[in-house]
Amino acid sequence: GESVGLHLPTLSVQEGDNSIINCAYSNSASDYFIWYKQESGKGPQFIIDIRSNMDKRQGQRVTVLLNKTVKHLSLQIAATQPGDSAVYFCAENYGGSQGNLIFGKGTKLSVKP
Amino acid sequence: ETGVTQTPRHLVMGMTNKKSLKCEQHLGHNAMYWYKQSAKKPLELMFVYSLEERVENNSVPSRFSPECPNSSHLFLHLHTLQPEDSALYLCASSQETGTEAFFGQGTRLTVV
Repeated sequence: GESVGLHLPTLSVQEGDNSIINCAYSNSASDYFIWYKQESGKGPQFIIDIRSNMDKRQGQRVTVLLNKTVKHLSLQIAATQPGDSAVYFCAENYGGSQGNLIFGKGTKLSVKP
Repeated sequence: ETGVTQTPRHLVMGMTNKKSLKCEQHLGHNAMYWYKQSAKKPLELMFVYSLEERVENNSVPSRFSPECPNSSHLFLHLHTLQPEDSALYLCASSQETGTEAFFGQGTRLTVV
């Protein structure tokens, strides 16, 4: 049948809980990864990045974990707040001089007050 | 405010019209991008410009024509579009290709 839209995985959490959003990337040659947050009606906003020579990086309330063995990236948000409700995208850079960012489908995070 | 400004924010055009989307960045970046975001697909990279030269064209139909007159401005010229081209068109810039990209708010395009 005809697709009516992109069905995003949805994560629903209680305010104050920790959130973990997962992403499987496609290219083992990718050497740079970014997490973006997109709120309704806005463009994607940078959250945190990590290079392939690291397996963990921390920011303010956020942590990104990289597992190159299984090509898996995760974003952990501590003490999730209603303002964190958005769609979260991971992006990978295949590397090279062109260095294009390729985005995943996204995960919708809903925070219940 | 990310330093990347897109105009217009909303655009409705007929299939026979010609229109242009504009993007301006005030960040001193060398790379600029056009992405398409539709309800049916993930963010799709359309075009990449580095130092005003096009370095990537991801098999985008010729009815979409980009122009980068200088490192601060990027245009997307549209003509004879199809209804399936209705989407959010996002412009982004980065210091160099492959580094952190800053996005504009997008232009919501509806083709009727």
